Amino acid sequence: SQQGEEDPQALSIQEGENATMNCSYKTSINNLQWYRQNSGRGLVHLILIRSNEREKHSGRLRVTLDTSKKSSSLLITASRAADTASYFCATDGNFQGAQKLVFGQGTRLTINP
Amino acid sequence: EPEVTQTPSHQVTQMGQEVILRCVPISNHLYFYWYRQILGQKVEFLVSFYNNEISEKSEIFDDQFSVERPDGSNFTLKIRSTKLEDSAMYFCASRWAPGNTGELFFGEGSRLTVL
Repeated sequence: SQQGEEDPQALSIQEGENATMNCSYKTSINNLQWYRQNSGRGLVHLILIRSNEREKHSGRLRVTLDTSKKSSSLLITASRAADTASYFCATDGNFQGAQKLVFGQGTRLTINP
Repeated sequence: EPEVTQTPSHQVTQMGQEVILRCVPISNHLYFYWYRQILGQKVEFLVSFYNNEISEKSEIFDDQFSVERPDGSNFTLKIRSTKLEDSAMYFCASRWAPGNTGELFFGEGSRLTVL
Protein backbone atom coordinates (compact mmCIF):
# COMPACT_ATOMS: atom_id res chain seq x y z
CA SER A 1 0.00 0.00 0.00
CA GLN A 2 1.23 3.50 -0.73
CA GLN A 3 -0.91 4.89 2.03
CA GLY A 4 0.45 7.80 3.98
CA GLU A 5 0.47 7.51 7.72
CA GLU A 6 0.57 10.62 9.83
CA ASP A 7 1.84 11.04 13.31
CA PRO A 8 0.96 12.11 15.81
CA GLN A 9 -2.71 11.21 15.55
CA ALA A 10 -3.55 14.18 17.73
CA LEU A 11 -1.59 17.26 18.70
CA SER A 12 -2.59 20.02 21.10
CA ILE A 13 -0.46 23.15 21.46
CA GLN A 14 -0.73 26.75 22.59
CA GLU A 15 -1.41 29.55 20.17
CA GLY A 16 1.81 30.98 18.86
CA GLU A 17 3.73 27.73 19.08
CA ASN A 18 4.87 25.75 16.05
CA ALA A 19 3.11 22.54 15.06
CA THR A 20 4.91 19.72 13.30
CA MET A 21 3.13 16.77 11.73
CA ASN A 22 4.82 13.84 10.05
CA CYS A 23 3.79 11.52 7.27
CA SER A 24 5.31 8.25 6.11
CA TYR A 25 4.46 6.31 2.98
CA LYS A 26 5.46 3.03 1.44
CA THR A 27 5.89 3.23 -2.32
CA SER A 28 7.48 5.58 -4.84
CA ILE A 29 5.55 8.75 -5.53
CA ASN A 30 5.29 11.54 -8.06
CA ASN A 31 4.29 14.05 -5.45
CA LEU A 32 3.00 14.36 -1.93
CA GLN A 33 0.25 16.73 -0.93
CA TRP A 34 -1.08 18.08 2.35
CA TYR A 35 -4.73 18.84 2.94
CA ARG A 36 -6.65 20.42 5.75
CA GLN A 37 -10.15 19.51 6.92
CA ASN A 38 -12.21 21.57 9.30
CA SER A 39 -14.69 19.52 11.29
CA GLY A 40 -17.53 18.29 9.09
CA ARG A 41 -16.21 20.05 5.99
CA GLY A 42 -14.47 19.10 2.78
CA LEU A 43 -10.72 18.83 2.34
CA VAL A 44 -8.78 21.85 1.22
CA HIS A 45 -5.47 21.59 -0.56
CA LEU A 46 -2.58 23.27 1.26
CA ILE A 47 0.62 22.47 -0.55
CA LEU A 48 2.13 20.04 -3.05
CA ILE A 49 5.74 18.93 -3.08
CA ARG A 50 7.18 17.02 -5.99
CA SER A 51 9.39 14.00 -5.58
CA ASN A 52 12.45 15.94 -6.78
CA GLU A 53 11.91 18.73 -4.24
CA ARG A 54 13.18 18.65 -0.67
CA GLU A 55 11.47 21.64 0.89
CA LYS A 56 8.68 24.02 0.04
CA HIS A 57 7.20 27.05 1.75
CA SER A 58 3.81 28.68 1.56
CA GLY A 59 3.10 31.45 4.05
CA ARG A 60 3.35 29.91 7.53
CA LEU A 61 3.60 26.41 6.09
CA ARG A 62 6.83 24.56 5.50
CA VAL A 63 6.86 21.08 3.99
CA THR A 64 9.84 18.80 3.70
CA LEU A 65 10.16 15.59 1.75
CA ASP A 66 12.74 12.86 2.22
CA THR A 67 12.22 10.26 -0.49
CA SER A 68 15.02 8.06 0.86
CA LYS A 69 13.10 7.71 4.12
CA LYS A 70 9.70 7.93 2.42
CA SER A 71 8.62 10.63 4.82
CA SER A 72 7.37 14.19 4.85
CA SER A 73 6.71 16.77 7.50
CA LEU A 74 4.38 19.74 7.68
CA LEU A 75 5.37 22.61 9.93
CA ILE A 76 2.90 25.35 10.80
CA THR A 77 4.69 28.27 12.39
CA ALA A 78 3.16 30.78 14.81
CA SER A 79 -0.03 28.77 15.10
CA ARG A 80 -3.43 30.43 15.45
CA ALA A 81 -6.70 29.19 16.89
CA ALA A 82 -8.05 29.12 13.32
CA ASP A 83 -5.47 26.46 12.43
CA THR A 84 -7.44 23.97 14.50
CA ALA A 85 -8.35 21.22 12.02
CA SER A 86 -7.33 17.78 10.81
CA TYR A 87 -4.35 17.60 8.49
CA PHE A 88 -3.86 14.81 5.97
CA CYS A 89 -1.01 13.87 3.74
CA ALA A 90 -1.84 12.27 0.42
CA THR A 91 0.29 10.44 -2.08
CA ASP A 92 -0.28 9.63 -5.69
CA GLY A 93 0.87 6.64 -7.61
CA ASN A 94 2.13 6.10 -11.11
CA PHE A 95 -1.20 4.99 -12.46
CA GLN A 96 -2.00 6.42 -15.86
CA GLY A 97 -5.33 8.09 -16.24
CA ALA A 98 -7.28 9.41 -13.27
CA GLN A 99 -4.64 8.94 -10.63
CA LYS A 100 -6.11 8.62 -7.19
CA LEU A 101 -4.65 10.22 -4.11
CA VAL A 102 -4.30 7.95 -1.11
CA PHE A 103 -4.86 9.69 2.20
CA GLY A 104 -3.44 8.88 5.59
CA GLN A 105 -5.30 8.76 8.89
CA GLY A 106 -4.70 12.42 9.58
CA THR A 107 -3.44 14.45 12.51
CA ARG A 108 -6.05 16.26 14.56
CA LEU A 109 -4.49 19.59 15.55
CA THR A 110 -5.93 21.68 18.34
CA ILE A 111 -4.62 25.17 18.98
CA ASN A 112 -5.47 26.42 22.45
CA PRO A 113 -5.91 30.19 22.80
CA GLU B 1 -13.57 30.99 -7.38
CA PRO B 2 -14.88 27.81 -9.03
CA GLU B 3 -15.90 25.07 -6.66
CA VAL B 4 -17.18 21.54 -6.55
CA THR B 5 -20.77 21.38 -5.37
CA GLN B 6 -22.52 18.39 -3.86
CA THR B 7 -26.15 17.60 -3.12
CA PRO B 8 -27.76 16.69 -0.86
CA SER B 9 -25.74 17.87 2.10
CA HIS B 10 -27.42 15.28 4.29
CA GLN B 11 -29.57 12.28 3.42
CA VAL B 12 -31.23 9.84 5.76
CA THR B 13 -32.41 6.58 4.26
CA GLN B 14 -33.63 3.17 5.28
CA MET B 15 -31.44 0.13 4.84
CA GLY B 16 -32.00 -1.45 1.43
CA GLN B 17 -33.04 1.79 -0.26
CA GLU B 18 -31.28 3.27 -3.28
CA VAL B 19 -29.42 6.53 -2.86
CA ILE B 20 -28.04 8.89 -5.49
CA LEU B 21 -25.47 11.47 -4.49
CA ARG B 22 -24.86 14.27 -6.93
CA CYS B 23 -21.82 16.35 -7.70
CA VAL B 24 -21.06 19.16 -10.09
CA PRO B 25 -17.29 19.22 -10.62
CA ILE B 26 -15.35 22.29 -11.72
CA SER B 27 -16.23 22.84 -15.35
CA ASN B 28 -12.87 22.46 -17.08
CA HIS B 29 -11.73 19.52 -14.96
CA LEU B 30 -11.21 16.16 -16.58
CA TYR B 31 -10.74 13.74 -13.70
CA PHE B 32 -13.39 12.93 -11.14
CA TYR B 33 -13.36 11.04 -7.89
CA TRP B 34 -15.52 9.81 -5.07
CA TYR B 35 -14.11 9.35 -1.59
CA ARG B 36 -15.82 8.51 1.65
CA GLN B 37 -15.03 9.18 5.28
CA ILE B 38 -16.61 7.30 8.13
CA LEU B 39 -16.95 9.63 11.09
CA GLY B 40 -13.56 10.49 12.56
CA GLN B 41 -11.69 8.09 10.32
CA LYS B 42 -9.52 8.30 7.26
CA VAL B 43 -10.57 9.46 3.83
CA GLU B 44 -11.01 6.36 1.66
CA PHE B 45 -10.82 6.23 -2.12
CA LEU B 46 -13.85 4.75 -3.84
CA VAL B 47 -13.55 5.37 -7.57
CA SER B 48 -11.93 7.53 -10.20
CA PHE B 49 -13.45 8.47 -13.55
CA TYR B 50 -11.96 9.82 -16.75
CA ASN B 51 -13.03 10.00 -20.35
CA ASN B 52 -16.49 8.71 -19.49
CA GLU B 53 -15.33 5.55 -17.85
CA ILE B 54 -14.07 4.26 -14.54
CA SER B 55 -10.29 4.45 -14.28
CA GLU B 56 -9.87 2.69 -11.00
CA LYS B 57 -12.03 1.47 -8.15
CA SER B 58 -11.33 0.26 -4.66
CA GLU B 59 -12.49 -2.91 -2.94
CA ILE B 60 -15.20 -0.85 -1.25
CA PHE B 61 -16.71 -0.03 -4.63
CA ASP B 62 -18.57 -3.29 -5.12
CA ASP B 63 -21.55 -4.12 -7.35
CA GLN B 64 -23.84 -2.02 -5.16
CA PHE B 65 -22.04 1.13 -6.28
CA SER B 66 -22.10 2.83 -9.67
CA VAL B 67 -21.08 6.18 -11.09
CA GLU B 68 -22.32 8.17 -14.03
CA ARG B 69 -21.61 11.40 -15.77
CA PRO B 70 -24.91 11.64 -17.60
CA ASP B 71 -24.83 15.12 -19.10
CA GLY B 72 -21.28 16.46 -19.10
CA SER B 73 -21.71 18.41 -15.90
CA ASN B 74 -23.13 16.18 -13.18
CA PHE B 75 -21.21 13.28 -11.69
CA THR B 76 -23.34 10.92 -9.63
CA LEU B 77 -22.68 8.12 -7.20
CA LYS B 78 -25.45 5.57 -6.81
CA ILE B 79 -25.70 3.05 -4.02
CA ARG B 80 -28.22 0.46 -5.12
CA SER B 81 -29.17 -1.11 -1.80
CA THR B 82 -27.77 0.72 1.17
CA LYS B 83 -26.33 -1.04 4.20
CA LEU B 84 -25.81 0.32 7.70
CA GLU B 85 -22.06 0.41 7.08
CA ASP B 86 -22.55 2.78 4.14
CA SER B 87 -23.23 5.56 6.65
CA ALA B 88 -20.43 8.07 6.02
CA MET B 89 -19.54 11.40 4.47
CA TYR B 90 -19.14 11.06 0.73
CA PHE B 91 -16.85 13.52 -0.97
CA CYS B 92 -16.68 14.28 -4.64
CA ALA B 93 -13.44 15.69 -6.02
CA SER B 94 -12.14 16.79 -9.37
CA ARG B 95 -8.94 17.97 -10.94
CA TRP B 96 -7.80 19.25 -14.26
CA ALA B 97 -4.82 16.96 -14.68
CA PRO B 98 -3.34 14.03 -12.81
CA GLY B 99 0.13 13.56 -11.43
CA ASN B 100 2.47 16.44 -10.92
CA THR B 101 -0.06 19.16 -11.54
CA GLY B 102 -2.82 17.54 -9.66
CA GLU B 103 -4.28 19.09 -6.57
CA LEU B 104 -7.76 17.75 -5.90
CA PHE B 105 -10.66 20.11 -5.36
CA PHE B 106 -13.19 18.68 -2.95
CA GLY B 107 -16.85 19.40 -2.42
CA GLU B 108 -18.26 19.92 1.06
CA GLY B 109 -19.57 16.38 1.16
CA SER B 110 -22.88 14.55 1.43
CA ARG B 111 -23.56 12.98 4.78
CA LEU B 112 -25.39 9.68 4.34
CA THR B 113 -27.13 8.12 7.33
CA VAL B 114 -28.54 4.63 6.85
CA LEU B 115 -31.05 3.49 9.46
